[in-house]
Amino acid sequence: AQSVSQHNHHVILSEAASLELGCNYSYGGTVNLFWYVQYPGQHLQLLLKYFSGDPLVKGIKGFEAEFIKSKFSFNLRKPSVQWSDTAEYFCAVNARTGGFKTIFGAGTRLFVKA
Amino acid sequence: GAGVSQSPSNKVTEKGKDVELRCDPISGHTALYWYRQSLGQGLEFLIYFQGNSAPDKSGLPSDRFSAERTGGSVSTLTIQRTQQEDSAVYLCASSLGGRSPDTQYFGPGTRLTVL
Repeated sequence: AQSVSQHNHHVILSEAASLELGCNYSYGGTVNLFWYVQYPGQHLQLLLKYFSGDPLVKGIKGFEAEFIKSKFSFNLRKPSVQWSDTAEYFCAVNARTGGFKTIFGAGTRLFVKA
Repeated sequence: GAGVSQSPSNKVTEKGKDVELRCDPISGHTALYWYRQSLGQGLEFLIYFQGNSAPDKSGLPSDRFSAERTGGSVSTLTIQRTQQEDSAVYLCASSLGGRSPDTQYFGPGTRLTVL
């Protein structure tokens, strides 16, 4: 069965620090990959996605993610975080042969100190 | 335009009672998903509907859980004989159809508390 692993459950950073959140999935076939974010008091929303092409994907608010097929990874990065990036981040995977079923990781809570 | 809406926003029920949770997707979205979010557990896939295809129910945790989607729009998730472990936030999302899932737009969720 598919699974998605997010290595860090809680991350605390100071403003301007660099961020990298890990995401690994267990599926050997072709996948669609997503990062979603939930800001305090708001709905989950898409941060970025990868379907094919350039494995380095850029999303909103300066976030980017790199798909490394050989490592089954899709890590999220941001060079310099802001206090407003405080949120919970979810990695999600859809196996192309699995229809529309999308599996989410457990999430990483990021707190950015001002 | 209007986003995904869910009702009720909060539901408190007694163990053993049945509950119905409603989701109104974005107009024109043919795919609709239900997830359960428990503290520290992330989003647990429950079921999805896509167009006229048979729903994928593989994530429903037991036969007490069922869902339907009427007219390709509104969906209802029903939990029969609720248990305390059913307490969670139930999220609905919708997306455009096509051959694979695209961006999912989430509703605000229904917080279910089973006493």
